[in-house]
Amino acid sequence: GQNIDQPTEMTATEGAIVQINCTYQTSGFNGLFWYQQHAGEAPTFLSYNVLDGLEEKGRFSSFLSRSKGYSYLLLKELQMKDSASYLCAVWESNYQLIWGAGTKLIIKP
Amino acid sequence: IAGITQAPTSQILAAGRRMTLRCTQDMRHNAMYWYRQDLGLGLRLIHYSNTAGTTGKGEVPDGYSVSRANTDDFPLTLASAVPSQTSVYFCASSALAGDPGELFFGEGSRLTVL
Repeated sequence: GQNIDQPTEMTATEGAIVQINCTYQTSGFNGLFWYQQHAGEAPTFLSYNVLDGLEEKGRFSSFLSRSKGYSYLLLKELQMKDSASYLCAVWESNYQLIWGAGTKLIIKP
Repeated sequence: IAGITQAPTSQILAAGRRMTLRCTQDMRHNAMYWYRQDLGLGLRLIHYSNTAGTTGKGEVPDGYSVSRANTDDFPLTLASAVPSQTSVYFCASSALAGDPGELFFGEGSRLTVL
């Protein structure tokens, strides 16, 4: 079956580094996305990985291992505005994205 | 500002009533999607459209219908609302069909069915 697992909630300190993991089991794989969603708002695109390895974009980096069905989102120099939910999604076949339930990240001063 | 506009922002609806959620985009994107988001669950695809004039069923299509008469508009209709359809509904679009790329989301429509 199709399954995407993420931790439900994580807490980190302002200025620190946090890694949010995502594991997946899907019938097809064409790429993996990370989205950020602030409470009460729409999700916004963060990153897209289709090949193994690390993609860096400013304070955010995303890693993919297709053989392990594993990805992580790394957030550096955490700021209070990074408090949000982070959604992992796999682009399966048939034009569909399979979404994880999201990880709520709480940043403390 | 270019993007996706959804209406209404929120609505309380009696069970059995008909409701249409509106979605309009001005980015000339080919593909559009309707998702519902429920606490503790990932976004679930209701219906999608790869191009004007075509629609397809997603993961949870029952009780919902859509139409795509033109590129910009993609309304979602609940023919006879039930309490299990209480949810936050997001409309989204992507430039290319079959290649989600970056999805652009509307601000969501919070629907409560009593």
